[in-house]
Amino acid sequence: EAQVTQNPRYLITVTGKKLTVTCSQNMNHEYMSWYRQDPGLGLRQIYYSMNVEVTDKGDVPEGYKVSRKEKRNFPLILESPSPNQTSLYFCASSFRPPGTRRGTLDTQYFGPGTRLTVL
Amino acid sequence: DQQVKQNSPSLSVQEGRISILNCDYTNSMFDYFLWYKKYPAEGPTFLISISSIKDKNEDGRFTVFLNKSAKHLSLHIVPSQPGDSAVYFCAASDGGSQGNLIFGKGTKLSVKP
Repeated sequence: EAQVTQNPRYLITVTGKKLTVTCSQNMNHEYMSWYRQDPGLGLRQIYYSMNVEVTDKGDVPEGYKVSRKEKRNFPLILESPSPNQTSLYFCASSFRPPGTRRGTLDTQYFGPGTRLTVL
Repeated sequence: DQQVKQNSPSLSVQEGRISILNCDYTNSMFDYFLWYKKYPAEGPTFLISISSIKDKNEDGRFTVFLNKSAKHLSLHIVPSQPGDSAVYFCAASDGGSQGNLIFGKGTKLSVKP
């Protein structure tokens, strides 16, 4: 089954304790990205990756890191989480960057989300 | 400043009737628009899109209309079904290679049997 998986689905942690949220896709997609969803703000892009070893900042990258060592995995790293990073996080993937009008190639598939609470 | 606005946080519709979800945008560089549907505890799923060279795109019960002069688009669902109850996000792109979509806040649609 084609899917994007994220782990963990729920996490409660404390300020300053490093954490990693994993993301994996089995569709051989080149493009992957991370979003956060906050009440009243919609989804905002944190980081994206065009391909292996190619990553770049999205709209709200502060306090986050990513890596793309393999095509299928795109972990999100919070080196020193703070309460303002409490949010719902989504990983997404597609063959091509979304919105670039490549037909089905830019259709973006989202993971189920990770709800993070930083105390 | 929000570039993509969904001013109705919620909408309630009777089963079988039409649902109309609205979206406004401010950035004239946006030329591609998408609608996503999201159920609780799941990620968003792509529903339908429209390029700025069109004013209408249809896929089954779902039709998106684009009014470029008004910077407004709408999603019509006809007929509405209880399974359509979800949060609907409007998103816009300027076609850039970054693939950064600008999302609205979402509208929660409830279709009552």
